[in-house]
This record gives sequence, structure tokens and C-alpha cells, in this order.
Amino acid sequence: SYVLTQAPSVSVAPGETASITCVRNNIESEIVHWYQQQPGQAPVLVISYNNDRPSGIPARFSGSSSGNTATLTISRVEAGDEADYYCQVWDFNRDYWVFGGGTKLTVL
Amino acid sequence: QLVESGGGVVQAGRSLRLSCSASGFTFNDYLLHWVRQAPGKGLEWLALLSYDESRKSLKDSVIGRFTISRNNFKNTLYLQMNSLEVDDTALYYCARSREGTPFDKWGQGTLVTVSS
Repeated sequence: SYVLTQAPSVSVAPGETASITCVRNNIESEIVHWYQQQPGQAPVLVISYNNDRPSGIPARFSGSSSGNTATLTISRVEAGDEADYYCQVWDFNRDYWVFGGGTKLTVL
Repeated sequence: QLVESGGGVVQAGRSLRLSCSASGFTFNDYLLHWVRQAPGKGLEWLALLSYDESRKSLKDSVIGRFTISRNNFKNTLYLQMNSLEVDDTALYYCARSREGTPFDKWGQGTLVTVSS
């Protein structure tokens, strides 16, 4: 089955850089999207097509992909970035959308 | 915006129909999806439906129990859920996308609780 693996949690101090990964064999050949979900809120798209930022998303958010790992990078982390982050890929063979298990970002 | 409704507390084995009312955009231009999130868990995509229903896809685990449909005149998406199980307890979101694009708008969700 199509599985995207994310670390359950990442912790970073304010002002530092957070890297949130999404692992699947040869994910660099896929298109990966990233969502942020604040507590009690619906998810919000923060990165699309591996490294595009929708309107209103700060430039501190960026994405990349290489080999088996896609990465969401948040630079100069702020307290307001504390949230759950999910990667997403379209499994075109089955016309399914698949989410990673999510990573909780804690700002220390 | 997208506004879900129809959630509630239901006994296992019973049925429930969720609705997602859309406004502020051209309903027929978008694919619509249902995504759920069990308490304390991650996002789980369930189903998608194109405007003309020519493209319909459901996650394997809900095939035979859940049905997705839409009424383009009422700008409403539905999820008919039958034979509900305790593990179906979740917050159910609807979301929209265009062909091959990510989900750019989500509702706030409707909570379904299935009791044993």
C-alpha cells in the first residue's frame, strides 16, 4: 500500500530552522503537498507542488524533495508555527489521495 | 466557504448522511473530497467526486459502506455512511481541489461519534 512516513514530533527553539520530513521510496518522482493544522482548526495548504507557496504563506516556509525524502523547512520558527504538519501525495494508480501520518512541531 | 453538517452520535450499525454546503465559488469547477480525522489522529482521505460524477473514488476501507454524491443545483456534497463502526468516530471534513491540484479550501468539519 501507499504509505508516507513522517516522524511523530519535531522540537525547535524560536528563531531556529525546523525540518519536517516525509519518506517514501523514490518520493522525489512524486508531487508532494504540505498542510499545516493548528489545534482545533482545519488544515491549511502551506506548500504545493513540492515548493510553491500559496498566497499568504510566509517565505519562511519552503519545500524540497530528494531521493526517498521530501522535506518541509520552516526558517526562523515562531511560536505561531506550532502545529501539526502533513504531507500529501496523489496515488494516480488508484486515484487516491494519501496523507502522511503527521508531525507535531513544538516550539520550545 | 464549505460548511459540513449532519454529524452526531449514532449507534454502531446505523447510518448517517453528512452534507457539505458550498458557497462563494463556482461549485461545478471543483472536485470535492471527504477527509476524516479520528480523535488525536492524523488525516485520512476517504473519497472524491467530480462535478459530473464521472470520476468517483473511495478508499478501499469504506467501499461498500460509504457513498459519495453531490447535488450541483444545491451546491451540496454528501457522504452516506452505512453500517457505521466505532472506528468511524472522527471529525469529517469536506475539501475542494481542481484536477490534480491540492486541497485549497476546507470546511471546519462535522463530528461523528459511533457508540457501541
